Amino acid sequence: GQSLEQPSEVTAVEGAIVQINCTYQTSGFYGLSWYQQHDGGAPTFLSYNALDGLEETGRFSSFLSRSDSYGYLLLQELQMKDSASYFCAHSPGNTGKLIFGQGTTLQVKP
Amino acid sequence: NAGVTQTPKFQVLKTGQSMTLQCAQDMNHNSMYWYRQDPGMGLRLIYYSASEGTTDKGEVPNGYNVSRLNKREFSLRLESAAPSQTSVYFCASSDISGRGRETQYFGPGTRLLVL
Repeated sequence: GQSLEQPSEVTAVEGAIVQINCTYQTSGFYGLSWYQQHDGGAPTFLSYNALDGLEETGRFSSFLSRSDSYGYLLLQELQMKDSASYFCAHSPGNTGKLIFGQGTTLQVKP
Repeated sequence: NAGVTQTPKFQVLKTGQSMTLQCAQDMNHNSMYWYRQDPGMGLRLIYYSASEGTTDKGEVPNGYNVSRLNKREFSLRLESAAPSQTSVYFCASSDISGRGRETQYFGPGTRLLVL
């Protein structure tokens, strides 16, 4: 089967750094994607890791370790607007269809 | 450039009624998808269409049908709605590059309540 596990909630303060983990048990793994969703709105793409290591995009970075079946999203210099749900996802067999984790709700406090 | 649009935004149905959710994209993408999202859950794929003229089942296809009307439009039909289909429905589109990197673009969602 395909499963991606994430913590359900994470809380951090403004200006801090937070890490959201994702562990997966999948077949046909090609890479790990991350999406952000504000208040039930449209999910938006954040990053993708095909290879092991760190990918940096501004304040957001994403990491993948294939040997550990593990990845994380790192958010730096947290802002109130980063309060949202974050989902890891992968496309089994590189078919384009996505399997999502259940999401992590990040609450940023002043 | 509107991206992905969905209609309607909200809908209330009675058990047994039918309805069609509409989705259109103007990004010339080949692939389109329908997901449902239940409270506190991730998105689950209902059906997808890798290209015009093709459709395939996702994780939770029971109770739904789809039509890929043309390259732009992908509709989702509930033939006989059930309370278990109360959910938020998202349509998405993407281009499969073959390089393994997928960026899906999502519509704003349709909130469906089945009584």
